[in-house]
Amino acid sequence: DIQMTQSPHSLSASLGETVSIECLASEGISNYVAWYQQKPGKSPQLLIYYVSSLQDGVPSRFSGSGSGTQFSLKISNMQPEDEGVYYCQQGYKYPLTFGSGTKLEIK
Amino acid sequence: EVQLVESGGGLVQPGKSLELSCAASGFTFSDYYMAWVRQVPKKGLEWVATISTSGTTTYYPDSVRGRFTISRDNAKSSLYLQMNSLKSEDTATYYCARRVRNNYAHLAYWGQGTLVTVSS
Repeated sequence: DIQMTQSPHSLSASLGETVSIECLASEGISNYVAWYQQKPGKSPQLLIYYVSSLQDGVPSRFSGSGSGTQFSLKISNMQPEDEGVYYCQQGYKYPLTFGSGTKLEIK
Repeated sequence: EVQLVESGGGLVQPGKSLELSCAASGFTFSDYYMAWVRQVPKKGLEWVATISTSGTTTYYPDSVRGRFTISRDNAKSSLYLQMNSLKSEDTATYYCARRVRNNYAHLAYWGQGTLVTVSS
């Protein structure tokens, strides 16, 4: 199985700050990585798929990059509504696997 | 508007069975691969099953293969998950989800989830 190692486990950021979350795949996954945001008591929401494609309705301050085994999600101009847990996911090979999550809070 | 509404969760004893349902609307159900994903309370996400558009191809992780069966009824725009021989470690919220596009195994739409508790 492909392991998705996310870092950091948690972080706090000030409003307006830019933050990055990293995801390392245990083997090459081409560009088949997605990022999700989950708020307490809610279902996950797709933010980015295929490395850098922005899902409909997602603000442009979210962006994705990377290739091969190293990927990152960048949130520019941190907003209060960006608090939540973020997960990466590989869609390259079954079984589909998720990272362990990164909790993002407002400082 | 895409909507996915799960039902069928509840309390079940270890070793017993339960079937979850997911009613889909707002898109052409038969055009999309569908999946189930679960989440242990306050823990991470675990993919449980995927089914092709026609229902002829299914995928499972080792943790549920042989015990869980995903199926669909395109005429009813409904997705199902039959869960047999349930274990305590199957306790989780189960989400029904739709792929963003069929050539990407990323999940664009999720239901609100249904809680399954396996306990005696």
